[in-house]
Parts: sequence; structure tokens; C-alpha cells
Amino acid sequence: DAGVIQSPRHEVTEMGQEVTLRCKPISGHNSLFWYRQTMMRGLELLIYFNNNVPIDDSGMPEDRFSAKMPNASFSTLKIQPSEPRDSAVYFCASTSVEGIILNTEAFFGQGTRLTVV
Amino acid sequence: GNSVTQMEGPVTLSEEAFLTINCTYTATGYPSLFWYVQYPGEGLQLLLKATKADDKGSNKGFEATYRKETTSFHLEKGSVQVSDSAVYFCALRGGGGKLIFGQGTELSVKP
Repeated sequence: DAGVIQSPRHEVTEMGQEVTLRCKPISGHNSLFWYRQTMMRGLELLIYFNNNVPIDDSGMPEDRFSAKMPNASFSTLKIQPSEPRDSAVYFCASTSVEGIILNTEAFFGQGTRLTVV
Repeated sequence: GNSVTQMEGPVTLSEEAFLTINCTYTATGYPSLFWYVQYPGEGLQLLLKATKADDKGSNKGFEATYRKETTSFHLEKGSVQVSDSAVYFCALRGGGGKLIFGQGTELSVKP
């Protein structure tokens, strides 16, 4: 398996533009996480899905952020409109979860480095 | 809610020194605990894990023991190498499957 695939690897956009980040989880995994990493705040959980359903989006900073998972093999994180403070590295991770089993490893993509100017 | 607190970095050590990175957590129930490592320009990779009290996770010379009485999961290695230089993240996964991380500790090992 190629692992978790994120695209693009780098994105530079102007303030006010819409940005869409993409993630393809590992085949067979049913749980997906979106994280944002900055020097100031570390690694923040934005949202996570189980079986394509958003379970907890309490980390989404504001209404400008939205995430979807239309099927088991694809997820998007959209920022509209983007602002300079959204500049960060965004990671997607996937794992499998069955019932109360919580010890499965989460696999991370290589991240998307977003710069909003 | 659940949370993870790590010692602040950066931590700078000489090769072959002993390493400890402290991690404490707050959680309801019985979470699973993890250490992840991030090398420059890459995503996080699992280093080790423990799923219940008194479990010891180990990998590549690193160890951590799940201490429920002190709510801790400190990372240790007896002799670090230059190649261990990276950022280390403590994490927990509790009820509902939410996976949350500490702020990360940067380790720099000098030859």
C-alpha cells in the first residue's frame, strides 16, 4: 500500500482565496483525522471521521473551515476564504477502529504545507 | 476533556547520553497511549504504544511504561544516537476514538 496520500504537498495562495486539501487514506481503514501543525500551537486535531461520518469537529477553528468524506477513500479539507493565519502544515491520518479497540496505529500522510500571503 | 502535556524542548544531548522526555495525561476511562516521532519534512510515525496500566511499550531502544497512578507515560532511551534527532509526540486515544497529541518535544543529539 502507498500509505496515506495527501495533495498538494505545497500550496501558496492569496488571502481570500479558497483552498482545498485532499487526502486518500489507506485502503481498509475506517477512521480518518485532520490535523494542523504550527510552531505556536503544535499539532491540533481539527476533525475526525469514523466510517465516513464526522464524529468530532470541535477543533475546527471557525466556519471558514469545512471537511467532507464522501466515501471511504477520499476526504477534503476546505478553507474559504483563506487568511494568513491559516498558514500551517496540515496532516491527514488514517487508522482502523472496531468497537472499543483503541490501540491501532494511525498512519500519517506527508502533509500539505499551506502558505497564505 | 482529554489532554496530554509534554516537557518543553528543545532537548539537547550528547551522543550516548540517557534520554527522558516526560509526558502526563488527563483522561476519563482507560485510554491507549502512544509515542510518535517526526523527522524533518515528514509526517508522524508510531514509535511505541501501551494499551493498559503497567504495560511497557518498546521499540528501537526506546521504552515507556503506562503508569495509571501517576497518569504518566515518560519516554526513555539509555543511549541516544545522532539519528534519534527528531520531534517526539506523546498521544492518547480515548473513548470515541479521538487521537490527541501533546505539543511535541524537539530532541537534538550532538556527536
